[in-house]
Amino acid sequence: SQQGEEDPQALSIQEGENATMNCSYKTSINNLQWYRQNSGRGLVHLILIRSNEREKHSGRLRVTLDTSKKSSSLLITASRAADTASYFCATTFGGANSKLTFGKGITLSVRP
Amino acid sequence: GAVVSQHPSWVICKSGTSVKIECRSLDFQATTMFWYRQFPKQSLMLMATSNEGSKATYEQGVEKDKFLINHASLTLSTLTVTSAHPEDSSFYICSARDVEGGSYEQYFGPGTRLTVT
Repeated sequence: SQQGEEDPQALSIQEGENATMNCSYKTSINNLQWYRQNSGRGLVHLILIRSNEREKHSGRLRVTLDTSKKSSSLLITASRAADTASYFCATTFGGANSKLTFGKGITLSVRP
Repeated sequence: GAVVSQHPSWVICKSGTSVKIECRSLDFQATTMFWYRQFPKQSLMLMATSNEGSKATYEQGVEKDKFLINHASLTLSTLTVTSAHPEDSSFYICSARDVEGGSYEQYFGPGTRLTVT
């Protein structure tokens, strides 16, 4: 079963605008990861945020984590057409063998 | 980041035949690898967790005799779809976890598109 629920399920924006995607989860976590998937391709790891972290940056990406609300957000600033993809959040809880549980994903379309 | 490769990237096979998919971690050792299945426009569903040198742990509803997993070394896991049927057509993705330093970042292969005719 899937734990994460992304919001919105689909997002369409103009190039240059910022894209904000939200993810909620149900149980305790060790960390939360965001992935990007281009159509028909594998997943690309974007960023990992640990449960004791509140915010993390990587290039044009900014991720926040609110464990009290069991939610995370992914912000892509100054979006580009190449950012068009599906984005998934995924959580883990447990040791090295713990499962990565995925949300349903968000489809982001960036119009040139 | 770490690289995970999969081979083949796509395969077409006839109903009743078996297909083997390889997953390799290229620049790190992975004691644990995971196999996922993804249908069009859907999320990834975990099929099984593969541990080097031991039996795989299958998720509920996944037939272990149909989806054979072997994790022979710290860099290689294989998934064999036995007696494939058209309903097995899907996108299969493996991933490997790099636990060195406790990061638990998980890296994914490019996927294998299986079509059973």
